[in-house]
Amino acid sequence: EAEVAQSPRYKITEKSQAVAFWCDPISGHATLYWYRQILGQGPELLVQFQDESVVDDSQLPKDRFSAERLKGVDSTLKIQPAELGDSAMYLCASGLGFFSEGYEQYFGPGTRLTVT
Amino acid sequence: GESVGLHLPTLSVQEGDNSIINCAYSNSASDYFIWYKQESGKGPQFIIDIRSNMDKRQGQRVTVLLNKTVKHLSLQIAATQPGDSAVYFCAENLNMNYGGSQGNLIFGKGTKLSVKP
Repeated sequence: EAEVAQSPRYKITEKSQAVAFWCDPISGHATLYWYRQILGQGPELLVQFQDESVVDDSQLPKDRFSAERLKGVDSTLKIQPAELGDSAMYLCASGLGFFSEGYEQYFGPGTRLTVT
Repeated sequence: GESVGLHLPTLSVQEGDNSIINCAYSNSASDYFIWYKQESGKGPQFIIDIRSNMDKRQGQRVTVLLNKTVKHLSLQIAATQPGDSAVYFCAENLNMNYGGSQGNLIFGKGTKLSVKP
């Protein structure tokens, strides 16, 4: 069964350092999402891509976060500089993105970020 | 993401009993709803979805009910098993004609289900 891949699974970094996360969506999925999930809460959307284009990044803190999906396949989320409040699980999801197929999104295992 | 919420943060049931997890949403323009299951340390896993033109949908051991009048969503799990223990999230998609993005899900805070053997 096809899965969304993410790496690394765990990352510990010091504040003010740069950190990057990678996501490889399910083959054929045009839509890719990055979420941040704080322990005990639901995922919150950071950015949504349709192919290589950003559809929604209204919740992305653009002063320190950036995301790209250059070839419309895999994606990278970067934080620079990291702050203590960025400690969270970062989830990537992909989907077909067409209403006739539903909005089902398939999630990867996530990257657990700890900023010290 | 404050438009979706849950009535009960924790739910404890006996193995074999039926479980009902509730969710209230505040945006009447949402046209699609979905339930996810998240086990500790893992990403959310799709359970079942429902469109706003339906009021009930059944899957394997799960049923989702949608009451648009009171903006309420529920997930029913039949014959709950220890493997069902997890946090369950409901999520909604706001219709594009009302400012939503296609496929953009808004998640609630989650309900933790514990199954006692």
